[in-house]
Amino acid sequence: DTGVSQDPRHKITKRGQNVTFRCDPISEHNRLYWYRQTLGQGPEFLTYFQNEAQLEKSRLLSDRFSAERPKGSFSTLEIQRTEQGDSAMYLCASSLEGLEAFFGQGTRLTVV
Amino acid sequence: ELKVEQNPLFLSMQEGKNYTIYCNYSTTSDRLYWYRQDPGKSLESLFVLLSNGAVKQEGRLMASLDTKARLSTLHITAAVHDLSATYFCAGSGAGSYQLTFGKGTKLSVIP
Repeated sequence: DTGVSQDPRHKITKRGQNVTFRCDPISEHNRLYWYRQTLGQGPEFLTYFQNEAQLEKSRLLSDRFSAERPKGSFSTLEIQRTEQGDSAMYLCASSLEGLEAFFGQGTRLTVV
Repeated sequence: ELKVEQNPLFLSMQEGKNYTIYCNYSTTSDRLYWYRQDPGKSLESLFVLLSNGAVKQEGRLMASLDTKARLSTLHITAAVHDLSATYFCAGSGAGSYQLTFGKGTKLSVIP
């Protein structure tokens, strides 16, 4: 296992379409995080899973966003009815209990 | 709610020079992290600082934490071009698992 893997790396979609991103964490990590990063800014927290339980959600996570982590392994982040303001880099990270988080390469979303 | 401020946001320095990036945070933070990000790439973990007075060093980078002042510093010694990147500090608030990031310091090391 070489690290956190995200798919796709790039996604261009038309406004109003739904998109889904996948994150495969480092295999033994029980914690998984989603962040969003826009140009020139630091990553902003979206949500956090411990195993399969979603324990924290940011106010940034509107009703159009949903995340799952079935069976505590990979995770998906879905955005419904995309808007231009959703254009960003979506980063996934994983960690072991209480230790540093390792980030994936991210999925760059462009909404046109 | 934890807020993290970094300064400077942009830093242009000559090779061989020393400089310090500052990271202030607003409330108690369980731990303080430093990450590096190259253009178009993800974040690479540099340091995790867990307690007051913690100091960690890796190559030309040294990070420290003063929890009483709510301040962390990233000191660069004898900069080289390969250190050009954006550096982020991040903290986790008490009882929270989320990281709150600063806006980042974009470092350019000029030959």
